[in-house]
Amino acid sequence: DAGVIQSPRHEVTEMGQEVTLRCKPISGHNSLFWYRQTMMRGLELLIYFNNNVPIDDSGMPEDRFSAKMPNASFSTLKIQPSEPRDSAVYFCASSPVGGGMETQYFGPGTRLLVL
Amino acid sequence: GESVGLHLPTLSVQEGDNSIINCAYSNSASDYFIWYKQESGKGPQFIIDIRSNMDKRQGQRVTVLLNKTVKHLSLQIAATQPGDSAVYFCAENFGGGYQKVTFGTGTKLQVIP
Repeated sequence: DAGVIQSPRHEVTEMGQEVTLRCKPISGHNSLFWYRQTMMRGLELLIYFNNNVPIDDSGMPEDRFSAKMPNASFSTLKIQPSEPRDSAVYFCASSPVGGGMETQYFGPGTRLLVL
Repeated sequence: GESVGLHLPTLSVQEGDNSIINCAYSNSASDYFIWYKQESGKGPQFIIDIRSNMDKRQGQRVTVLLNKTVKHLSLQIAATQPGDSAVYFCAENFGGGYQKVTFGTGTKLQVIP
Protein backbone atom coordinates (compact mmCIF):
# COMPACT_ATOMS: atom_id res chain seq x y z
CA ASP A 1 0.00 0.00 0.00
CA ALA A 2 1.26 3.51 -0.81
CA GLY A 3 0.12 4.94 2.50
CA VAL A 4 -1.55 8.32 2.88
CA ILE A 5 -0.61 10.59 -0.02
CA GLN A 6 -0.47 14.36 0.33
CA SER A 7 0.22 17.06 -2.23
CA PRO A 8 1.94 19.35 -2.61
CA ARG A 9 4.80 18.48 -0.23
CA HIS A 10 5.88 22.10 -0.05
CA GLU A 11 3.98 25.29 -0.77
CA VAL A 12 5.21 28.86 -0.62
CA THR A 13 2.64 31.56 -1.20
CA GLU A 14 2.01 35.19 -0.50
CA MET A 15 -0.39 36.52 2.05
CA GLY A 16 -3.89 36.79 0.66
CA GLN A 17 -3.54 33.95 -1.80
CA GLU A 18 -5.70 30.84 -1.80
CA VAL A 19 -4.02 27.58 -0.80
CA THR A 20 -5.41 24.10 -1.45
CA LEU A 21 -3.91 21.04 0.18
CA ARG A 22 -4.82 17.58 -1.03
CA CYS A 23 -5.00 14.16 0.55
CA LYS A 24 -5.62 10.61 -0.60
CA PRO A 25 -6.28 8.28 2.36
CA ILE A 26 -5.33 4.63 2.56
CA SER A 27 -7.77 2.51 0.58
CA GLY A 28 -10.40 1.03 2.86
CA HIS A 29 -9.93 3.60 5.60
CA ASN A 30 -13.18 5.44 6.23
CA SER A 31 -11.97 8.09 8.66
CA LEU A 32 -9.85 11.01 7.53
CA PHE A 33 -8.20 13.64 9.69
CA TRP A 34 -6.54 16.99 9.01
CA TYR A 35 -3.94 18.18 11.52
CA ARG A 36 -1.68 21.22 11.74
CA GLN A 37 1.75 21.13 13.41
CA THR A 38 3.83 24.05 14.61
CA MET A 39 6.79 24.27 16.93
CA MET A 40 4.85 26.46 19.32
CA ARG A 41 1.64 24.47 19.57
CA GLY A 42 2.56 20.95 18.48
CA LEU A 43 0.00 18.90 16.59
CA GLU A 44 -3.59 20.12 16.51
CA LEU A 45 -6.64 18.41 15.04
CA LEU A 46 -8.49 20.67 12.63
CA ILE A 47 -11.31 18.46 11.36
CA TYR A 48 -12.16 14.83 10.77
CA PHE A 49 -14.52 12.91 8.52
CA ASN A 50 -16.22 9.54 8.85
CA ASN A 51 -17.48 8.04 5.61
CA ASN A 52 -16.94 11.39 3.83
CA VAL A 53 -19.09 13.28 6.36
CA PRO A 54 -17.48 15.97 8.54
CA ILE A 55 -17.92 14.89 12.16
CA ASP A 56 -16.11 17.56 14.13
CA ASP A 57 -14.68 20.79 12.74
CA SER A 58 -14.29 22.58 16.06
CA GLY A 59 -10.54 22.70 15.55
CA MET A 60 -10.77 24.73 12.36
CA PRO A 61 -9.25 28.10 13.29
CA GLU A 62 -11.68 30.37 11.49
CA ASP A 63 -13.80 30.81 8.42
CA ARG A 64 -10.76 31.15 6.23
CA PHE A 65 -10.30 27.39 6.56
CA SER A 66 -12.56 24.89 4.84
CA ALA A 67 -12.31 21.16 4.17
CA LYS A 68 -14.15 18.85 1.86
CA MET A 69 -14.26 15.14 1.18
CA PRO A 70 -16.17 14.59 -2.05
CA ASN A 71 -15.46 10.85 -2.09
CA ALA A 72 -13.75 8.13 -0.09
CA SER A 73 -10.40 8.59 -1.81
CA PHE A 74 -9.92 12.35 -1.79
CA SER A 75 -10.03 15.31 0.55
CA THR A 76 -8.98 18.95 0.36
CA LEU A 77 -8.14 21.58 2.94
CA LYS A 78 -8.44 25.12 1.64
CA ILE A 79 -7.20 28.34 3.19
CA GLN A 80 -8.58 31.53 1.69
CA PRO A 81 -7.14 34.07 2.13
CA SER A 82 -3.90 32.78 3.60
CA GLU A 83 -2.01 34.65 6.31
CA PRO A 84 1.58 34.34 7.59
CA ARG A 85 0.32 32.77 10.84
CA ASP A 86 -1.02 29.85 8.80
CA SER A 87 2.56 28.77 8.12
CA ALA A 88 2.86 25.24 9.47
CA VAL A 89 3.07 21.60 8.43
CA TYR A 90 -0.36 20.20 7.59
CA PHE A 91 -0.86 16.47 7.99
CA CYS A 92 -3.59 14.24 6.72
CA ALA A 93 -4.20 10.93 8.47
CA SER A 94 -6.60 8.07 7.89
CA SER A 95 -7.88 5.12 9.87
CA PRO A 96 -10.66 2.55 9.82
CA VAL A 97 -13.87 3.97 11.28
CA GLY A 98 -13.87 3.51 15.04
CA GLY A 99 -10.31 2.25 14.91
CA GLY A 100 -8.85 4.50 17.59
CA MET A 101 -5.70 6.56 17.52
CA GLU A 102 -3.43 3.53 17.37
CA THR A 103 -4.81 2.77 13.92
CA GLN A 104 -4.19 6.25 12.47
CA TYR A 105 -1.67 6.50 9.67
CA PHE A 106 -0.24 9.90 8.85
CA GLY A 107 0.82 11.21 5.49
CA PRO A 108 4.18 12.93 4.97
CA GLY A 109 2.67 16.38 5.37
CA THR A 110 2.55 19.60 3.40
CA ARG A 111 4.93 22.30 4.57
CA LEU A 112 3.22 25.64 4.03
CA LEU A 113 4.98 28.97 4.17
CA VAL A 114 2.91 32.12 3.78
CA LEU A 115 5.00 35.22 3.18
CA GLY B 1 9.05 42.37 15.15
CA GLU B 2 11.85 39.86 15.20
CA SER B 3 10.80 36.30 15.86
CA VAL B 4 12.69 34.10 18.26
CA GLY B 5 13.60 30.67 16.97
CA LEU B 6 12.29 27.74 18.91
CA HIS B 7 14.34 24.64 19.46
CA LEU B 8 13.20 21.29 20.70
CA PRO B 9 14.99 19.83 23.73
CA THR B 10 17.54 17.32 22.51
CA LEU B 11 18.68 14.05 24.05
CA SER B 12 21.94 12.63 22.73
CA VAL B 13 22.53 8.95 23.39
CA GLN B 14 25.31 6.58 22.44
CA GLU B 15 24.25 3.70 20.21
CA GLY B 16 23.47 0.67 22.30
CA ASP B 17 22.61 2.64 25.42
CA ASN B 18 19.10 2.99 26.79
CA SER B 19 17.14 6.21 26.19
CA ILE B 20 14.60 7.79 28.48
CA ILE B 21 12.33 10.51 27.13
CA ASN B 22 10.07 12.35 29.52
CA CYS B 23 6.74 14.09 29.15
CA ALA B 24 4.70 16.09 31.64
CA TYR B 25 1.01 16.13 30.90
CA SER B 26 -1.43 18.76 32.02
CA ASN B 27 -4.83 17.25 32.72
CA SER B 28 -5.27 15.00 35.75
CA ALA B 29 -8.48 13.68 34.14
CA SER B 30 -6.61 12.29 31.12
CA ASP B 31 -7.10 8.56 30.88
CA TYR B 32 -5.25 7.55 27.74
CA PHE B 33 -1.72 8.38 26.63
CA ILE B 34 0.23 7.80 23.45
CA TRP B 35 3.84 8.09 22.36
CA TYR B 36 4.68 9.02 18.77
CA LYS B 37 7.88 8.93 16.75
CA GLN B 38 8.38 11.47 14.00
CA GLU B 39 11.32 11.19 11.65
CA SER B 40 12.52 14.20 9.72
CA GLY B 41 10.20 15.02 6.82
CA LYS B 42 7.65 12.38 7.80
CA GLY B 43 4.37 12.21 9.64
CA PRO B 44 4.00 11.01 13.23
CA GLN B 45 4.03 7.28 13.81
CA PHE B 46 2.25 5.58 16.72
CA ILE B 47 4.70 3.72 19.00
CA ILE B 48 2.88 2.64 22.14
CA ASP B 49 -0.05 3.65 24.30
CA ILE B 50 -1.12 3.22 27.91
CA ARG B 51 -4.36 3.68 29.79
CA SER B 52 -4.61 5.32 33.17
CA ASN B 53 -5.43 2.05 34.94
CA MET B 54 -1.89 0.88 34.23
CA ASP B 55 1.48 2.26 35.29
CA LYS B 56 3.68 0.34 32.88
CA ARG B 57 3.38 -1.15 29.43
CA GLN B 58 6.02 -2.85 27.34
CA GLY B 59 6.40 -3.19 23.61
CA GLN B 60 9.23 -4.29 21.42
CA ARG B 61 12.32 -2.47 22.84
CA VAL B 62 10.07 0.25 24.27
CA THR B 63 8.46 0.69 27.67
CA VAL B 64 6.08 3.42 28.74
CA LEU B 65 5.78 4.38 32.40
CA LEU B 66 2.92 6.43 33.78
CA ASN B 67 3.03 8.27 37.08
CA LYS B 68 -0.39 9.80 37.64
CA THR B 69 0.59 11.33 40.97
CA VAL B 70 2.95 13.78 39.31
CA LYS B 71 1.34 13.67 35.86
CA HIS B 72 4.44 12.28 34.23
CA LEU B 73 4.94 9.93 31.32
CA SER B 74 8.20 8.43 30.15
CA LEU B 75 9.30 6.41 27.15
CA GLN B 76 12.23 4.06 27.54
CA ILE B 77 13.99 2.73 24.47
CA ALA B 78 16.32 -0.20 25.06
CA ALA B 79 19.55 -0.63 23.11
CA THR B 80 19.06 2.57 21.12
CA GLN B 81 19.85 2.28 17.42
CA PRO B 82 20.63 4.93 14.77
CA GLY B 83 17.18 4.33 13.30
CA ASP B 84 15.67 5.56 16.56
CA SER B 85 16.87 9.11 15.81
CA ALA B 86 13.71 11.19 15.56
CA VAL B 87 11.44 13.53 17.48
CA TYR B 88 9.33 11.80 20.11
CA PHE B 89 6.22 13.38 21.55
CA CYS B 90 3.46 12.30 23.85
CA ALA B 91 -0.28 12.87 23.68
CA GLU B 92 -2.96 12.79 26.36
CA ASN B 93 -6.63 12.08 25.85
CA PHE B 94 -9.29 13.11 28.32
CA GLY B 95 -12.86 11.99 28.01
CA GLY B 96 -12.52 10.22 24.69
CA GLY B 97 -12.94 11.69 21.22
CA TYR B 98 -10.32 12.80 18.79
CA GLN B 99 -10.80 16.48 19.65
CA LYS B 100 -9.94 15.83 23.28
CA VAL B 101 -6.36 14.89 22.55
CA THR B 102 -3.51 17.26 23.41
CA PHE B 103 -0.13 16.66 21.79
CA GLY B 104 3.22 17.71 23.20
CA THR B 105 5.88 19.46 21.14
CA GLY B 106 8.44 16.73 21.62
CA THR B 107 12.04 15.84 22.33
CA LYS B 108 14.64 15.24 19.64
CA LEU B 109 16.61 12.04 20.13
CA GLN B 110 20.05 11.94 18.52
CA VAL B 111 21.81 8.59 18.46
CA ILE B 112 25.57 8.81 18.29
CA PRO B 113 27.05 5.87 16.34
